[in-house]
Amino acid sequence: DAGVIQSPRHEVTEMGQEVTLRCKPISGHNSLFWYRQTMMRGLELLIYFNNNVPIDDSGMPEDRFSAKMPNASFSTLKIQPSEPRDSAVYFCASKLQGAGNQPQHFGDGTRLSIL
Amino acid sequence: GENVEQHPSTLSVQEGDSAVIKCTYSDSASNYFPWYKQELGKGPQLIIDIRSNVGEKKDQRIAVTLNKTAKHFSLHITETQPEDSAVYFCAAATYGQNFVFGPGTRLSVLP
Repeated sequence: DAGVIQSPRHEVTEMGQEVTLRCKPISGHNSLFWYRQTMMRGLELLIYFNNNVPIDDSGMPEDRFSAKMPNASFSTLKIQPSEPRDSAVYFCASKLQGAGNQPQHFGDGTRLSIL
Repeated sequence: GENVEQHPSTLSVQEGDSAVIKCTYSDSASNYFPWYKQELGKGPQLIIDIRSNVGEKKDQRIAVTLNKTAKHFSLHITETQPEDSAVYFCAAATYGQNFVFGPGTRLSVLP
């Protein structure tokens, strides 16, 4: 079975540019999560969706960050304009919500470097 | 809200020895405790989980124990191998709520 698929795997861009990260969750999963991982702050939850609807975006650091989930098989995380402090590894995870406690399944992440 | 602490932050063991990583949580309503292994350049992968209605679960060389009264749970890896070297994360969750992750433990298995 295909796992969570993220693209691109690596992104290097200059400060001020728009960055778009993409995620395809596991088929049949109805919850999707975006995390950011840094050495200093560990794994931080940015936002999550249930049935394509954003439920909690309190972890989104600033208005420069936005996320969408137009359908059950695709989500984007956008940073505009990007800044060097946004450099991190961004993970997408999905799970089946509403079937008892279920694990989240992570993609392999996007390593973002803002110069 | 929930707070998860994890110790130690780094752990080195000789190949063949056992490794134990401990986590504590603050919210007594938490009832699901997964453990993840993250290898270099990869996302966290679930290795074992335990629900609050059991005290111990084992899968080959990996076991997890849960003490609800003390609000702590532990990961035990026996007969460690070099491929066990990774960062391990614990997490706690209440049904319908998000996971709260610990800060991670970097395990090094020395040949």
